[in-house]
Amino acid sequence: AQTVTQSQPEMSVQEAETVTLSCTYDTSESDYYLFWYKQPPSRQMILVIRQEAYKQQNATENRFSVNFQKAAKSFSLKISDSQLGDAAMYFCALFLTSGSRLTFGEGTQLTVNP
Amino acid sequence: DTAVSQTPKYLVTQMGNDKSIKCEQNLGHDTMYWYKQDSKKFLKIMFSYNNKELIINETVPNRFSPKSPDKAHLNLHINSLELGDSAVYFCASSQGAVGEAFFGQGTRLTVV
Repeated sequence: AQTVTQSQPEMSVQEAETVTLSCTYDTSESDYYLFWYKQPPSRQMILVIRQEAYKQQNATENRFSVNFQKAAKSFSLKISDSQLGDAAMYFCALFLTSGSRLTFGEGTQLTVNP
Repeated sequence: DTAVSQTPKYLVTQMGNDKSIKCEQNLGHDTMYWYKQDSKKFLKIMFSYNNKELIINETVPNRFSPKSPDKAHLNLHINSLELGDSAVYFCASSQGAVGEAFFGQGTRLTVV
């Protein structure tokens, strides 16, 4: 069975600084996708970034980038130039193409200090 | 246009009642899901439908029954509600084997 672990229940960062959220996962399969979702206080689940396991290049979306280490099964999210609107719960998620389901980590609550 | 919409957003009801949550997606996706988010914010899949066929049914009490009348709709009916059913329920949809799920705004169910 697949698992996703986020070892940082809470993180904080100063506005305009950079923060990295950690995620590790475990699966024996080779065909999968990894995601970071953001859940602000509004409760809406918002996709931040996506990484295909077969791609070696790390995904980037504006201020958000990942460090995907396939051998180590690590998938961290870096947020550059943090903004107040980045404050939210961040979830790492794993999708196995064979399993048709997203498996989520426990989440990391990010606080952005002005 | 809301891509995945679920109603109601809030639901407060007494123990023992039966309630339904409705979900509709206009993205043309072939797979729809129900996820439950507990008080500790942990998200766990409950059900998954692909082209109206049930493909995932996690260890969910029989009191929960999903229904998919067509590819664009997935409803969740809950019988004999219990205090422990209080949670946020999310509907989501995705296309193909990519897994990129689009979520509804969630329904906060409170059982009193």
